[in-house]
Amino acid sequence: NAGVTQTPKFRVLKTGQSMTLLCAQDMNHEYMYWYRQDPGMGLRLIHYSVGEGTTAKGEVPDGYNVSRLKKQNFLLGLESAAPSQTSVYFCASSYTSGRAGYNEQFFGPGTRLTVL
Amino acid sequence: SQQGEEDPQALSIQEGENATMNCSYKTSINNLQWYRQNSGRGLVHLILIRSNEREKHSGRLRVTLDTSKKSSSLLITASRAADTASYFCAFYSSASKIIFGSGTRLSIRP
Repeated sequence: NAGVTQTPKFRVLKTGQSMTLLCAQDMNHEYMYWYRQDPGMGLRLIHYSVGEGTTAKGEVPDGYNVSRLKKQNFLLGLESAAPSQTSVYFCASSYTSGRAGYNEQFFGPGTRLTVL
Repeated sequence: SQQGEEDPQALSIQEGENATMNCSYKTSINNLQWYRQNSGRGLVHLILIRSNEREKHSGRLRVTLDTSKKSSSLLITASRAADTASYFCAFYSSASKIIFGSGTRLSIRP
């Protein structure tokens, strides 16, 4: 099993450009998450999904959109990139939400995005 | 803020010594988890402790949870160079949203 994979690994954008980050998991997990991590900080939740076709806002959703058309994929889009979106983006997945039952999150390797 | 707070922010110890890091939170939780992040990598789950548990062990890791004080600690015994990493606690807030602490950067000196 590949676990959680992310593409691309690195990307440089100019202000105003758009891009999509792809996350894929092969563990049949229901829940998927997108986080951003800024230097010296923990992770902040951008958006998450509790199942195919559903998405919800996290802590810092502004400037981002997501889609979960297939259970195994979770896409994160930046419509008009801004320098404040320079960050490392992590995707994660889990079997449940954690409010009941075991809910370890599995993380991808991250995408380092720079917006000039 | 719903963010968990961890202390210390950074910790440097000699190889072989024990490392202790603490996490405090503000909400009610069902469980609390600890993750490790090596430089430039994603997070890796270490251990989960449920709200009705007070202590849990996994190899050289020992986690305690005090729900009355809303705090948890992670102890790594007999540290090794490979333990050098950042460590994060994580817990669920009220709406299926996991909250990560600010992290402790652990450095093990040879």
